[in-house]
Amino acid sequence: AQKITQTQPGMFVQEKEAVTLDCTYDTSDPSYGLFWYKQPSSGEMIFLIYQGSYDQQNATEGRYSLNFQKARKSANLVISASQLGDSAMYFCAMREGNTGGFKTIFGAGTRLFVKA
Amino acid sequence: EAGVAQSPRYKIIEKRQSVAFWCNPISGHATLYWYQQILGQGPKLLIQFQNNGVVDDSQLPKDRFSAERLKGVDSTLKIQPAKLEDSAVYLCASSLEPGAGSPLHFGNGTRLTVT
Repeated sequence: AQKITQTQPGMFVQEKEAVTLDCTYDTSDPSYGLFWYKQPSSGEMIFLIYQGSYDQQNATEGRYSLNFQKARKSANLVISASQLGDSAMYFCAMREGNTGGFKTIFGAGTRLFVKA
Repeated sequence: EAGVAQSPRYKIIEKRQSVAFWCNPISGHATLYWYQQILGQGPKLLIQFQNNGVVDDSQLPKDRFSAERLKGVDSTLKIQPAKLEDSAVYLCASSLEPGAGSPLHFGNGTRLTVT
């Protein structure tokens, strides 16, 4: 079974508008972390935002916010005021495990296209 | 702080040849990861080290892939012999802490083409 599911292979958004990238996850661990990474065409993976499973409030980092709905096991990324430089692949990831070791697994990604 | 260093940046080899990739993590990061990213897919964990011990290598094709992290710092990933399906970007990452809240910091990757 897929642990991380990103159902949108590609998304288009107009510059300056907001966009939501979907992510659902599956785990039985009570303690886990959810992350979003950006991968521009140059290839490097850039950490954007983190949400802990026990966090009560949604995480925010500048124009990025994470819409965390624990009961639905979803962790959607919201990018406000999109910019042309936001065009990239976006990966949702989950970090789970125990004191023996934590493992990070990634979804298949969503390619975002920002239109001028 | 200096980021995760990887080399080479690109490598082209013929099938059945061998290849090695090198990674130097961020100073002080105890956990080191090797991921394989096939074009159009998300990264897949190959092996994870905590200091110089292996935490997880369940998805490493051990008949052809090997990795080591001597002295708990830099690491080498080797493929011998390579197959066409090994064509991918090999990403090295490190994290400061082993817990659930520790983000991964990635290098620029090595793009391997097997012909």
